[in-house]
Parts: sequence; C-alpha cells; structure tokens
Amino acid sequence: RKEVEQDPGPFNVPEGATVAFNCTYSNSASQSFFWYRQDCRKEPKLLMSVYSSGNEDGRFTAQLNRASQYISLLIRDSKLSDSATYLCVVNDNYGQNFVFGPGTRLSVLP
Amino acid sequence: DAGITQSPRHKVTETGTPVTLRCHQTENHRYMYWYRQDPGHGLRLIHYSYGVKDTDKGEVSDGYSVSRSKTEDFLLTLESATSSQTSVYFCAISENYEQYFGPGTRLTVT
Repeated sequence: RKEVEQDPGPFNVPEGATVAFNCTYSNSASQSFFWYRQDCRKEPKLLMSVYSSGNEDGRFTAQLNRASQYISLLIRDSKLSDSATYLCVVNDNYGQNFVFGPGTRLSVLP
Repeated sequence: DAGITQSPRHKVTETGTPVTLRCHQTENHRYMYWYRQDPGHGLRLIHYSYGVKDTDKGEVSDGYSVSRSKTEDFLLTLESATSSQTSVYFCAISENYEQYFGPGTRLTVT
C-alpha cells in the first residue's frame, strides 16, 4: 500500500461547480498535512496547510480526519484557473520526510 | 514567491557523463531538498540538507550525491548519468514544514 494515495482523476467539472478531493495516508504518526497545486510543467505551490480543526481560505476548505487517516480538499465555485493537479503531502515531523501523493488532476470546463 | 532558482533549467547529456544541478535560495531557510518527478511516481525525495555540510539520504538516493557548503546553495551531482535519471528535478526549501519549490530542471540523458 502506498503511503499517500489520491484518486488520480481527472475530474472534469463545469465552472461554478463544487469539487472535493480525498487523500488517505498510511503512517499514523503523521503530524503535518498540506495541499499543493501544480500547473502543467510548473513547480508545486503550497495551497494550504491542513489543521486538525479544519481550515478555510476563500473558496477552499481543507479537513483532516486523523481517526480515518484522510485529508480532504473542497473547492467551491470552481474557476477555470483552478485547473491543475492537486497534491496531498504528509510529514511525520520527526525529520524532513515529506511524502507526496501522486496528485489528482482537475479540469474546470467553461 | 520564495527566492529559489535552479540552474540549468534544461539539460541534455549523454550516458556516463557527470552532471551537477544547482539550487540557490535567498530566503536563508535551514532545510533544502532535491526531488525528482516522474510520471506515475509523483515527487520522490533524493537527498535533503538540514544545514551547511549536513545532508541525508532520501527515498531514491542511489546514483546521486549532494553538497551544501553555503546556506544558500545546494548542489545535486549525478556522478555518471544513466537514462533512468531522465526526469524533472525540483529543489525545495523549508523552515517550518511548509516547502517552497524552485522552477525545476528538466534533465534528459541520452
């Protein structure tokens, strides 16, 4: 079983739709969680850190479920510019072991 | 955007030749990382550094070496390039578990 798993997609959604991504991780000692977005042929960019209480940044909401070992990202009112690959990242805080999921590709269609 | 540059941005080299990739930061972050990204594998850690002259291996370190003689520079060396090392290489920096990535180096080994 891979350490971090994501549905690869692609998710094709119309503008204005709400879309949710899930990510599961296998290491129960994991302490830090992040969502990154990566545009085609570009570097990953930090979208948001994920806190135990859940957090929101504009149209984006991230949640963490430690008991079930999954992280979610919700995007409301999708924009064309949201089209990208979304990477789930987990760190165990005992070193610098960042484990990346394979990413979920999102295409927002006009 | 975080001040991270990578050089070269593109390189084509022949099997068996040595190659050095450079990562330079202006943020004075303690941690620096080298990843490779390949289709179907996502981002995988090659080596990382937690200070000047302090480095450690990552998941896919075979065939690679690194050096960090100054806080701002982290070098990745392929002693004898192989075709399996054709990839996109990303450098990242971090201070508080949030990573920031450089623009990447696209390396082709023929």
